[in-house]
Amino acid sequence: AQSVTQPDIHITVSEGASLELRCNYSYGATPYLFWYVQSPGQGLQLLLKYFSGDTLVQGIKGFEAEFKRSQSSFNLRKPSVHWSDAAEYFCAVGARSSASKIIFGSGTRLSIRP
Amino acid sequence: EAGVTQSPTHLIKTRGQQATLRCSPISGHTSVYWYQQALGLGLQFLLWYDEGEERNRGNFPPRFSGRQFPNYSSELNVNALELEDSALYLCASSFLDRTNEKLFFGSGTQLSVL
Repeated sequence: AQSVTQPDIHITVSEGASLELRCNYSYGATPYLFWYVQSPGQGLQLLLKYFSGDTLVQGIKGFEAEFKRSQSSFNLRKPSVHWSDAAEYFCAVGARSSASKIIFGSGTRLSIRP
Repeated sequence: EAGVTQSPTHLIKTRGQQATLRCSPISGHTSVYWYQQALGLGLQFLLWYDEGEERNRGNFPPRFSGRQFPNYSSELNVNALELEDSALYLCASSFLDRTNEKLFFGSGTQLSVL
């Protein structure tokens, strides 16, 4: 079965500290992987996506993610977080054929400690 | 350029009533997607409309329905509301649905069923 697991429901990090949000997936074919961010009261915004090629993907707002096929993971990282990064982060996996087949994880809420 | 707009922002209904949620996609986008975001469950795909037709449907009962108008705006109707329908309903749009390009999300309608 196709699924996305974000094992951390809530993470708190200090401003300026590094961040890693975990994402594991189960998918039968070559996955297309996404990270979205949802700020309070807002819709989702795409941070980055991986289709093929270099397994280290750069996104907006200084985020990056690394695709590791052997571990079925697509973890999101940022070297130094800012207070404005406090939000809900969603990992998603899908097929290239249709955006309607994207499966979202349950999300990780990120809080920033001043 | 205006983004995806949803109305109303908040909607309060009682069990058994009907709710109608509206979405206007980004100009030029022909595909509209509806998602349910219940607390702690991530985004669950509801419906996909493209060019006025329902193209795909998630695992939801028939009382969740909708339509897409000639101007590509869309309505989501939920009949016979149940308490567990309380959630944030997000609409997203994209241009075509062939290359799994990114989705643009609205800010959502928060539906509360009392």
